Amino acid sequence: GDSVTQMEGPVTLSEEAFLTINCTYTATGYPSLFWYVQYPGEGLQLLLKATKADDKGSNKGFEATYRKETTSFHLEKGSVQVSDSAVYFCALSDRNQFYFGTGTSLTVIP
Amino acid sequence: DTEVTQTPKHLVMGMTNKKSLKCEQHMGHRAMYWYKQKAKKPPELMFVYSYEKLSINESVPSRFSPECPNSSLLNLHLHALQPEDSALYLCASSRYTSAQETQYFGPGTRLLVL
Repeated sequence: GDSVTQMEGPVTLSEEAFLTINCTYTATGYPSLFWYVQYPGEGLQLLLKATKADDKGSNKGFEATYRKETTSFHLEKGSVQVSDSAVYFCALSDRNQFYFGTGTSLTVIP
Repeated sequence: DTEVTQTPKHLVMGMTNKKSLKCEQHMGHRAMYWYKQKAKKPPELMFVYSYEKLSINESVPSRFSPECPNSSLLNLHLHALQPEDSALYLCASSRYTSAQETQYFGPGTRLLVL
């Protein structure tokens, strides 16, 4: 069945550090891939998405590229800010179901 | 506008109470979802409605009863819940139930069952 494997956290970085959160997937069809962010006490917000191989999603300085050959969708940001502290979920959409990774908690310290 | 609203924000109920959670979207989306999220865990799918018809029920206990009265509104009726049902309940919507469609989430209702 379909699944998403996400880098374990928590991750703590200093402000302006480079961020990578790894995400790999298993899917039987042609999935779309998403990164969602959840700030404390809130719902999930879409951060970026990619719907086919080699697509790059980007938003607010975050980027992820849909790599079919490595079945990956790693999230990157060149310079994190304190306001990026949140939980990040990688997700896969195949047919009519969403599959979420376990989430990675990021704390950015000044 | 990509807003999904949920009411109430917080709910405390006893195990014998009956309560309802409400979710609303005005984006013209025809698919709506209920998820349950426990602390430090990803959301777990409970129900999917497509064109106001229940299309997926992920083996959810009958003490949770979903209802979709129209294309903009989704309710979750709660009855005889257990303390382990305490969680954040998230509603989401998408244009259709298709792999390419983004799900837009509401802020959630934080439920505590005593």
